[in-house]
Amino acid sequence: QSALTQPASVSGSPGQSITISCTGTSSDVGNYNLVSWYQHHPGKAPKLMIYEDSKRPSGVSNRFSASKSGNTASLTISGLQAEDEADYYCCSYAGSNTFVFGGGTKVTVL
Amino acid sequence: EVQLVESGGGLVQPGGSLRLSCAASRFTFSSYWMHWVRQAPGKGLVWVSGIKSEGSTTYADSVKGRFTISRDNAKNTLYLQMNSLRADDTAVYYCARGRSYSSDYWGQGTLVTVSS
Repeated sequence: QSALTQPASVSGSPGQSITISCTGTSSDVGNYNLVSWYQHHPGKAPKLMIYEDSKRPSGVSNRFSASKSGNTASLTISGLQAEDEADYYCCSYAGSNTFVFGGGTKVTVL
Repeated sequence: EVQLVESGGGLVQPGGSLRLSCAASRFTFSSYWMHWVRQAPGKGLVWVSGIKSEGSTTYADSVKGRFTISRDNAKNTLYLQMNSLRADDTAVYYCARGRSYSSDYWGQGTLVTVSS
């Protein structure tokens, strides 16, 4: 159950696009179409942004999109806004009803 | 809207026990997979344990044999019994509702501090 690998930080200017990577293994990310992404503002409840690799829950802005290739999943935020500044976590199903999160990425809007 | 409210956190000595609760409302609790996820100070989210609607349970290796997840569908409440607590169990503990192998609703969390 090793954590998925995410960059510690990513930054961008308002209006720009940024991409956060999430690298796992063939036992988790690469084996299931079950990567989810969460936005977490410190002190608040995490918010589901993406599930099943690339699906957006109702109410989540279409500025958030996601994809996957092999053992690496990616979250893209387009048209970056000040409110997007938060921590972002990927999570993958790892089989046998277990899950593994990434270490988290701090997104800074310059 | 779905509501999840955790309680039961606090300060406990190493080796001690604590039971967390998560009161669920505004959805059919018995039908959902439920999870506990924790965040140690300055660290990331870590999945701790899950319990399916039919009662099957799973745990992260770090808590296996020490923590027990359970649910009371009549009371719409999720529990986490934590025994043999260690300093590295110090964290905010969140309960979350499972959906499509993700967690679509989360509580605000309850802080557990393990210290002498």
